[in-house]
Amino acid sequence: AQTVTQSQPEMSVQEAETVTLSCTYDTSENNYYLFWYKQPPSRQMILVIRQEAYKQQNATENRFSVNFQKAAKSFSLKISDSQLGDTAMYFCAFIHLGAGNNRKLIWGLGTSLAVNP
Amino acid sequence: SQTIHQWPATLVQPVGSPLSLECTVEGTSNPNLYWYRQAAGRGLQLLFYSVGIGQISSEVPQNLSASRPQDRQFILSSKKLLLSDSGFYLCAWNGWEYNEKLFFGSGTQLSVL
Repeated sequence: AQTVTQSQPEMSVQEAETVTLSCTYDTSENNYYLFWYKQPPSRQMILVIRQEAYKQQNATENRFSVNFQKAAKSFSLKISDSQLGDTAMYFCAFIHLGAGNNRKLIWGLGTSLAVNP
Repeated sequence: SQTIHQWPATLVQPVGSPLSLECTVEGTSNPNLYWYRQAAGRGLQLLFYSVGIGQISSEVPQNLSASRPQDRQFILSSKKLLLSDSGFYLCAWNGWEYNEKLFFGSGTQLSVL
């Protein structure tokens, strides 16, 4: 079965510190994309970062970076220098590529992150 | 640029009334379209997705239906709303040319009373 597990329902971090959100997934496919999405209190879903499974190099976007371990099927998100605006629900997801695959993302249940002043 | 419009932002409807939520996409053609529902503080539940005009796949048996009358228009409907239909509804689209990035609308908060 294709699943995404986010084992931390809630987390908190002090402003300016670093926090890591965990995500593991299960798939038998070899070609896919992985994503982290952020949903702040406004409820607008925002793409944080994307990783192609065929790339070994971990993706980075400013203060956000991932630790992608393909063999372990792990895709954690690290937020450095946390800011109050990082307070949000964070969702991990993946999508299979290639012909014959439907175009659906498989989602985790989310991690609620609170950044404290 | 790609834009997705979803309306209304909030909706309060009585039980048994009909529903129509509309979503339109600009700046792309032949997108994959999705309707999600999100309960308060919970994850995303995929309701319907469409890979082309008139092609609708339903993920969860329920009181809702979806239609895609035009390439960039996706409509979520119900003939008679139930209390359990309350939730936050999100429309989204993606396409291979954007590396499968999912673009989301701003959502509709539906309260069925």
